Amino acid sequence: ETGVTQSPTHLIKTRGQQVTLRCSSQSGHNTVSWYQQALGQGPQFIFQYYREEENGRGNFPPRFSGLQFPNYSSELNVNALELDDSALYLCASSLRQDSYNEQFFGPGTRLTVL
Amino acid sequence: GEDVEQSLFLSVREGDSSVINCTYTDSSSTYLYWYKQEPGAGLQLLTYIFSNMDMKQDQRLTVLLNKKDKHLSLRIADTQTGDSAIYFCAVYDSWGKLQFGAGTQVVVTP
Repeated sequence: ETGVTQSPTHLIKTRGQQVTLRCSSQSGHNTVSWYQQALGQGPQFIFQYYREEENGRGNFPPRFSGLQFPNYSSELNVNALELDDSALYLCASSLRQDSYNEQFFGPGTRLTVL
Repeated sequence: GEDVEQSLFLSVREGDSSVINCTYTDSSSTYLYWYKQEPGAGLQLLTYIFSNMDMKQDQRLTVLLNKKDKHLSLRIADTQTGDSAIYFCAVYDSWGKLQFGAGTQVVVTP
């Protein structure tokens, strides 16, 4: 059983650019959630995908968008990057029917916007 | 929305007990969680407690839940250097979103 993987590990972009981050969920999981963790803060919920549909969204602008694919892997896209988008982006997968809804986190992608 | 508060820093001597506290505002979460984050790593679920329980013990970890005061704590017995990390309390809000505290950095000194 493979865990949650994310790519790339690190990324440097400039303001105004666009970025795509990728996540492979743990085998058997059908739900993926994305979080933004700024330095010194706890993770903030961006959105969740369940069976390829967005299933809940946090307080993030529309320039944050995502996709989930039939194999339950997922992408996070951020357009028109701003300096404040610099953060660790975490992906977590879970099995929706799991009674205690444990989320398994990937190691994250560190995004730096210059 | 949900507001989850934690103290930011805790220093403890190796072998002593650590207690990390958390308060929250929205009590709709069926389960409440403690996550651990080591440097450069993602989050690892340490333990969780069902909202109808007052206490849960899991080896060196003890979770206490006071629903009336909306207070959650994590006690680590016999703290080791490998316990140095950031610990996050997390609860689901009424919209089904997992909300995290800002994290408590635990530093274990010899």
